[in-house]
Amino acid sequence: GPKVLQIPSHQIIDMGQMVTLNCDPVSNHLYFYWYKQILGQQMEFLVNFYNGKVMEKSKLFKDQFSVERPDGSYFTLKIQPTALEDSAVYFCASSPTGSQNTLYFGAGTRLSVL
Amino acid sequence: GDSVTQTEGQVTVSESKSLIINCTYSATSIGYPNLFWYVRYPGEGLQLLLKVITAGQKGSSRGFEATYNKEATSFHLQKASVQESDSAVYYCALRGPASSGSWQLIFGSGTQLTVMP
Repeated sequence: GPKVLQIPSHQIIDMGQMVTLNCDPVSNHLYFYWYKQILGQQMEFLVNFYNGKVMEKSKLFKDQFSVERPDGSYFTLKIQPTALEDSAVYFCASSPTGSQNTLYFGAGTRLSVL
Repeated sequence: GDSVTQTEGQVTVSESKSLIINCTYSATSIGYPNLFWYVRYPGEGLQLLLKVITAGQKGSSRGFEATYNKEATSFHLQKASVQESDSAVYYCALRGPASSGSWQLIFGSGTQLTVMP
C-alpha cells in the first residue's frame, strides 16, 4: 500500500541545537500531519498543514516548532532550539483530498535530545 | 477535552481463539465523533484498520469488527479467530464530528496483541 517515509529513523542532538525531521508523504496527498509520542505516553497531535499553511495546531506545537513543504519536496518539522522535553518519537502522516479521515503514517523518527 | 481509553496494555491470545480489545471514549463536541482503529505492525507505520463515522454502525476489515455504540460510548475491536500475523499494536482513536472543524485524531494508549501459535 501507500507508504510514508521518515528519514532518519533516529536522530541524536544536543539541547539548544536545531533539528529538522524529514517526511516523504504519499505522492499526490495534500494534507500533512505531525504527531508526537513521548515514551510510555499516548500519541498526540501537533499540527496539520494544507496548501502551504498550518490549518490547525495543538498547544504542544510550541513557538520553536515550524513546518513547511517547499514545492512538493519533503514535509519537514523543524525545532529551533531544541529542549530536553522534545525527546520523543515524531510521526508524520498524510491523507488524500476527499478522504481526509484516512491517514497514512510513517514509522516515526526517534529524537533524542541530550 | 476528548479522550480515548484502552484498558489493556497487553493481550495474549492463542491462535484461532477469539479476541476483544476494549475501547471507550469521551467526547465533548456537539455531535458524534468519528471512530477509528489503527494498527502498527513491527517496524512499520500506523495503518488504518477500520473506521466508523455514523453512530450505531459497524466497521469491518481483515476479519476484524467494531461497532460504534453511542450509548455505552464504546468501540471495542473483535475478531472471531486470530492468526499469528495479527500480532501488532492496536490503537483506538477518535476525531471530532466534521462540524467541529478539527482534523486531529485523539489516540488511546494502544494494546499490544501477541498471538501464540
